[in-house]
Amino acid sequence: DGGITQSPKYLFRKEGQNVTLSCEQNLNHDAMYWYRQDPGQGLRLIYYSQIVNDFQKGDIAEGYSVSREKKESFPLTVTSAQKNPTAFYLCASSFQGGRSGQPQHFGDGTRLSIL
Amino acid sequence: QQQVKQSPQSLIVQKGGISIINCAYENTAFDYFPWYQQFPGKGPALLIAIRPDVSEKKEGRFTISFNKSAKQFSLHIMDSQPGDSATYFCAASTDKLIFGTGTRLQVFP
Repeated sequence: DGGITQSPKYLFRKEGQNVTLSCEQNLNHDAMYWYRQDPGQGLRLIYYSQIVNDFQKGDIAEGYSVSREKKESFPLTVTSAQKNPTAFYLCASSFQGGRSGQPQHFGDGTRLSIL
Repeated sequence: QQQVKQSPQSLIVQKGGISIINCAYENTAFDYFPWYQQFPGKGPALLIAIRPDVSEKKEGRFTISFNKSAKQFSLHIMDSQPGDSATYFCAASTDKLIFGTGTRLQVFP
């Protein structure tokens, strides 16, 4: 079955610690996205990548970093610079990026909390 | 101008009733308007989408109505069922999706 796998499902971060959220897709999609979801605020775009070895900042990139070394994988690192990391993080992919009308397929998210 | 405003924030409907969720936008460059359904602890799933060259699109019990001049679009769920209880997000895009803030729908038997 094709889809997007996010891991872990739950993650806890200590003060001053960097943590990495995994996102893997087997849909052969070129574009991948990271969103942050907070109650009452919808989904906000953190970073996106339209092709391997390329990525762009979204609306709330500060305190986050990404890499796109493989088509299938788009890990997100929440750095210690992100002062309010508690949220539900969602990864998505689409067949192509940079074009309207491309349906985005989502993983089931990682819930990050501060210890 | 990049915002998509969604209302209501929450909605309670009796089984068999019609659920209506509304969204409004400002950016006339938006040309794709999807609706996503999200169950607790899961990622959003695409429900139905529309382009601005049509005024209505229906898929089963779900209908999008689109008013280009008013820059508004809405989701209608006919014969609402308890299994429809979820959070619904509208969105609009040019090259990136801009999401509304979500509507939590509860359908009671």
